[in-house]
Amino acid sequence: EVVLTQSPATLSLSPGERATLSCRASQGISTYLAWYQQKPGQAPRLLIYDASKRATGIPARFSGSASGTDFTLTISSLEPEDFAVYYCQQRSKTFGQGTRLEIK
Amino acid sequence: QVHLVQSAAEVKKPGSSVKISCKASGYTFIDNAIHWVRQAPGQGLEWMGWINTDNGNTKYSQKFQGRVTISRDTSATTAYMEVNSLLFEDTAVFYCAREGNGFYSDYWGQGTLVTVSS
Repeated sequence: EVVLTQSPATLSLSPGERATLSCRASQGISTYLAWYQQKPGQAPRLLIYDASKRATGIPARFSGSASGTDFTLTISSLEPEDFAVYYCQQRSKTFGQGTRLEIK
Repeated sequence: QVHLVQSAAEVKKPGSSVKISCKASGYTFIDNAIHWVRQAPGQGLEWMGWINTDNGNTKYSQKFQGRVTISRDTSATTAYMEVNSLLFEDTAVFYCAREGNGFYSDYWGQGTLVTVSS
């Protein structure tokens, strides 16, 4: 079973700063990785699929990249509404444990 | 527009069962699989299983295999997820999600809270 490890567990940044979130797969998953954003009391929202493709309606400040089994979600300039928990998921199955992005 | 509407919150006793529904609209139901995801209070997302809504084939996470049953009614454009032998630690929000045209979930239900309490 593929295990996804996200880092860091918590990221404290200020609006306007750049956020870099990581997700490492325990074995190769090609580029079948998705990123989701979840705010308290809400369902997850799809941000990125196939490692680097933005979902419909997602702002351009969100981008994804892949290098082997390492995946990165980058938010180029944080907006107040971006502070949330982010999850990666492989092949529509296992999720990472999440990264909490909090306001510094 | 695509909508997934789930059934209301439930309170169940340990050892009992719960069956949650997920009503789909705004697209052709049999064109997209449905996944189920669990989220315990304050915890992360946990994939439970999925159903091919066209042929009814299912696949479950090893953790839930044998205790969870996912089904669908194509005429009602509804998917179901039943959990048997409920434990206190099954208290969670359960989400259904539509699989997009690839390995990702593009639309999610609003979630159903199941509370297991004696």
